[in-house]
Amino acid sequence: QSVLTQPPSVSGAPGQRVTISCTGSSSNIGANYDVHWYQQLPGTAPRVLIYGNSNRPSGVPDRFSGSKSGTSASLAITGLQAEDEADYYCQSYDSSLSASVFGGGTKLTVL
Amino acid sequence: QLQLQESGSGLVKPSQTLSLICAVSGGSMSSGGYTWAWIRQPPGKGLEWIGNMYADGSTHYNPSLKSRVTISVDRSKNQFSLKVNSVTAADTAVYYCAREIPSSINWFDPWGQGTLVTVSS
Repeated sequence: QSVLTQPPSVSGAPGQRVTISCTGSSSNIGANYDVHWYQQLPGTAPRVLIYGNSNRPSGVPDRFSGSKSGTSASLAITGLQAEDEADYYCQSYDSSLSASVFGGGTKLTVL
Repeated sequence: QLQLQESGSGLVKPSQTLSLICAVSGGSMSSGGYTWAWIRQPPGKGLEWIGNMYADGSTHYNPSLKSRVTISVDRSKNQFSLKVNSVTAADTAVYYCAREIPSSINWFDPWGQGTLVTVSS
């Protein structure tokens, strides 16, 4: 069971907007620690999608955006495309564990 | 462009030691003061941070694995390694190495392609 909780799956039709939540607690996201997001395409290694809650590395389309509030963070994807079908993970730090922690992952299906 | 490549034993017997190497190319591990990490992913499951090594050689491990894990570096070969002893089937996973980007909370980029380690007799 992951310290950061994500929905196991989300889905949307091409062109639609979807959001993926990442819920933590007072020892991680709620302690004002940054949240990062990764995309893992089938059979590949994860790649960073959003860092520092809402920043996109160069090369990541602006269809991807991140936000954080309280003990939760969210990843939003607009203008959904077939190529967005992947697993998405949030990552932060937990002070009670003294460790980097990941969410359990969310599988995005493009209908 | 920095690249990381994992290698090592793909099949390990229960109770033995898992050993992996991460070779870094396209840049020197000794420049930039970066931290280097290991992360694993059991088949069909999520990601688990194993531990890291700071530029000064100090290490920090996930408390859930701390007693069994050792991360070390060979800067002359521009590579770092992971050892996990007393393995069980629960250690079967794809193991990734990654560079940590310094920030208020570090993030991981780039990642190696990953290597599958199976624990089985």
